[in-house]
Amino acid sequence: KAGVTQTPRYLIKTRGQQVTLSCSPISGHRSVSWYQQTPGQGLQFLFEYFSETQRNKGNFPGRFSGRQFSNSRSEMNVSTLELGDSALYLCASSSSRDGTYEQYFGPGTRLTVT
Amino acid sequence: AQSVTQLDSQVPVFEEAPVELRCNYSSSVSVYLFWYVQYPNQGLQLLLKYLSGSTLVKGINGFEAEFNKSQTSFHLRKPSVHISDTAEYFCAVRSGGYQKVTFGTGTKLQVIP
Repeated sequence: KAGVTQTPRYLIKTRGQQVTLSCSPISGHRSVSWYQQTPGQGLQFLFEYFSETQRNKGNFPGRFSGRQFSNSRSEMNVSTLELGDSALYLCASSSSRDGTYEQYFGPGTRLTVT
Repeated sequence: AQSVTQLDSQVPVFEEAPVELRCNYSSSVSVYLFWYVQYPNQGLQLLLKYLSGSTLVKGINGFEAEFNKSQTSFHLRKPSVHISDTAEYFCAVRSGGYQKVTFGTGTKLQVIP
């Protein structure tokens, strides 16, 4: 079974621009969560989608948004990029069927804002 | 609200020595607990999880953890570490299936040859 894939793996953007990151979950997984990882703040929860609906949301400004498609693939968008948005963005998928609540992580997208 | 505290940001240990990485959690309801490992430039990989039942949980790569409800702890242990265990380890808690997962700040394990 293929793992969680994230594209692109690396991205360099300029302040003020916007960016869209993509995540394809493991086949059959309907839950997708996004995290921001930085050396100073650690792993911060952004949001979780389940069956195209946002189920949980972290404490991030409205510049951070996401969506999930009918095939469970998810995208997150960051508008008006700031230098502080430079981070590793991780996506994780999980299945609600097996009751383990275990999350499977992708390799991440490294975003650098200059 | 749930929270996780990993008391040690870095733990150096000699190869073949035992190690314990500490994790304490806070939650007003029953919890599900996890330990993940992250190798450089990679995503997180699940080491082990506690959902219910036996309080001693065995995971991959020889790691184990013990759930202690009275002390609200879920410490990770390995009796003999290898160089390949050098990585960052994250403790995480989830209060119910539909709740978000909260991660600790991570502990960097450095295995010294």
